[in-house]
Amino acid sequence: DAGVIQSPRHEVTEMGQEVTLRCKPISGHNSLFWYRQTMMRGLELLIYFNNNVPIDDSGMPEDRFSAKMPNASFSTLKIQPSEPRDSAVYFCASSSQGSDRYTEAFFGQGTRLTVV
Amino acid sequence: QQPVQSPQAVILREGEDAVINCSSSKALYSVHWYRQKHGEAPVFLMILLKGGEQKGHDKISASFNEKKQQSSLYLTASQLSYSGTYFCGTEKGDNYGQNFVFGPGTRLSVLP
Repeated sequence: DAGVIQSPRHEVTEMGQEVTLRCKPISGHNSLFWYRQTMMRGLELLIYFNNNVPIDDSGMPEDRFSAKMPNASFSTLKIQPSEPRDSAVYFCASSSQGSDRYTEAFFGQGTRLTVV
Repeated sequence: QQPVQSPQAVILREGEDAVINCSSSKALYSVHWYRQKHGEAPVFLMILLKGGEQKGHDKISASFNEKKQQSSLYLTASQLSYSGTYFCGTEKGDNYGQNFVFGPGTRLSVLP
C-alpha cells in the first residue's frame, strides 16, 4: 500500500481565499483523522471520522473550517476564508479500528499551508 | 486536558539512556507513543492499554501506570537515529474515541 496520501504537499495562498486539502487513507482503514501542527500549539486533533461519519469535531477551530468524507477512500479539509493564522502543517492519519478504541495511526506526509 | 510531558528537551551522547514521561490529570484508558523527525510525519511506536503492561521493541520500551495516570518511555543505549520529537497521546473515558489528545512533545537530540 502507498500509505496515506495527502495533496497538495505545499500550498501558498492569499488571505481570504478558499483552501482545500485532500487525503486518501490506507485502503481498509475505517478511521481518519485531521491534525494541525504549529510551533506554538503543537499537534492538534481537528476532527476524526469513523466509517465516514464525523465522530468528534470539537477540535475544529471555527466555522471557517469544514471537513468531509464522502466515501471510505477520500476526505477533504476546507478553509474558507483562509487567514494568516491558519498557516501550519496539516496532517491526515488513518487507522483500522478493531473491536474497540484507537489503534496505530498512520500519518500522511502533511500539507504545509502558508497564508499570506 | 493535554497531557504533560517531561522533560521538554534532552540532549544525549550516543549510547546513553533516556526516560521521557507523560502524565495526565484524568484517568486514562490508553497511552500512545509517536516519534517525529524534523520535516517528517509522526511515526507510531507503541500503544499501552490500562493494566500496567510494559511494551517494547528493540531498545525502546514503555510502561503505563494507570493508577498514577502516567506513562514513561525508555530509550536504552540511544542511537543517532533516535533523535526527534517524541509525543505521547492519551485516551480517556469509557466511550470509544473520547478525548484523544497529544502532549506537547519532548525533543530528543542524540549526539555522536
